[in-house]
Amino acid sequence: GAVVSQHPSWVICKSGTSVKIECRSLDFQATTMFWYRQFPKQSLMLMATSNEGSKATYEQGVEKDKFLINHASLTLSTLTVTSAHPEDSSFYICSASKNSKGGNEQFFGPGTRLTVL
Amino acid sequence: AQSVAQPEDQVNVAEGNPLTVKCTYSVSGNPYLFWYVQYPNRGLQFLLKYITGDNLVKGSYGFEAEFNKSQTSFHLKKPSALVSDSALYFCAVRRMDTGRRALTFGSGTRLQVQP
Repeated sequence: GAVVSQHPSWVICKSGTSVKIECRSLDFQATTMFWYRQFPKQSLMLMATSNEGSKATYEQGVEKDKFLINHASLTLSTLTVTSAHPEDSSFYICSASKNSKGGNEQFFGPGTRLTVL
Repeated sequence: AQSVAQPEDQVNVAEGNPLTVKCTYSVSGNPYLFWYVQYPNRGLQFLLKYITGDNLVKGSYGFEAEFNKSQTSFHLKKPSALVSDSALYFCAVRRMDTGRRALTFGSGTRLQVQP
């Protein structure tokens, strides 16, 4: 199988604090992981591509200094929301890319719900 | 740029009836198309994908999708709907820019299956 976990599953924090979200591929190595965010009743929007051992690639309009991504190993990527504000409240979902027949296939984590008070 | 469109915000169907969730795509070149399902407060579960080959793709939980190049569509179908199929469904296309493998998602369609 190909299982991706996220921790925590939900977090509530005060405005101005930083929150770290972990994404792990449990039974495979992932050189590439992706971070998406999903607002209520909306689709997933790609935030950044996380590459093991190198800097993340951010989508246009995503502040790299606010959303810090670290892909320190082949099974772990972290997203840190720095100085969080209420508008950062969202559902954050990661995915990990695994080589499979027909090309790389993405496996998604269960998501992390962030609420900033 | 690649994109997909899901024209219906919600689809209602009675249990036991066939269901169709629509998706159209816009890509340059050959598309890599996917369907995912999302249950409340959960991540996405893979249903099926089209890369190449047969236009009719069979996936998980009895779902299938038909790739139609002339109509640029990739509709999701199931012959007999279950109440447990009620969820949010996303069509997606793989991005081809700069070697990335990220997905671009449609807006999602909520499927409601009535008992």
